[in-house]
Amino acid sequence: DGGITQSPKYLFRKEGQNVTLSCEQNLNHDAMYWYRQDPGQGLRLIYYSQIVNDFQKGDIAEGYSVSREKKESFPLTVTSAQKNPTAFYLCASSQGSQPQHFGDGTRLSIL
Amino acid sequence: DQQVKQNSPSLSVQEGRISILNCDYTNSMFDYFLWYKKYPAEGPTFLISISSIKDKNEDGRFTVFLNKSAKHLSLHIVPSQPGDSAVYFCAASVGGGGADGLTFGKGTHLIIQP
Repeated sequence: DGGITQSPKYLFRKEGQNVTLSCEQNLNHDAMYWYRQDPGQGLRLIYYSQIVNDFQKGDIAEGYSVSREKKESFPLTVTSAQKNPTAFYLCASSQGSQPQHFGDGTRLSIL
Repeated sequence: DQQVKQNSPSLSVQEGRISILNCDYTNSMFDYFLWYKKYPAEGPTFLISISSIKDKNEDGRFTVFLNKSAKHLSLHIVPSQPGDSAVYFCAASVGGGGADGLTFGKGTHLIIQP
């Protein structure tokens, strides 16, 4: 079954620690995206990658980092520099001009 | 500043009636618009899209209307069904069908009453 897998579904970390969120897709899509959703808010773009080994900052990239070493994987690291990391993180992928498909998200809570 | 606005946080509609969800945008460079449906603790699911060269797109019970001069689009659901209860997000992009990422509104929570 083709799709986007985000793991884990829930993640807890202590303040000051870096944490990496996983996103894997088996749709053979070239482009991948990371969004953040806060309560009562829309999704905001963090980073995106249109091709392996290349990525661009989105609207709220500060405090985050990404890598795209493989076509199917686009991990997001939330660093200690991110001042308010508690949020729902969504990964998406797309091919060409087709709509983005989303994973089921990871809810990150900082203790 | 919000470039995509959904001014109704929630909307309640009776089952079988028409649901109309509205969305306004400020960036005149947007040329591709989408609607997504989202259930709690899940990712958004694509519903329907429209390019700025069209003013209407239809897919089954879902129709999206685009008024470029007013920078306004709407999603019509007819007839509304209980399974339509969800949060609906309007999204927009500049060129390429969203390849450089989407700009989302805050969403409208649609509640279908039996």
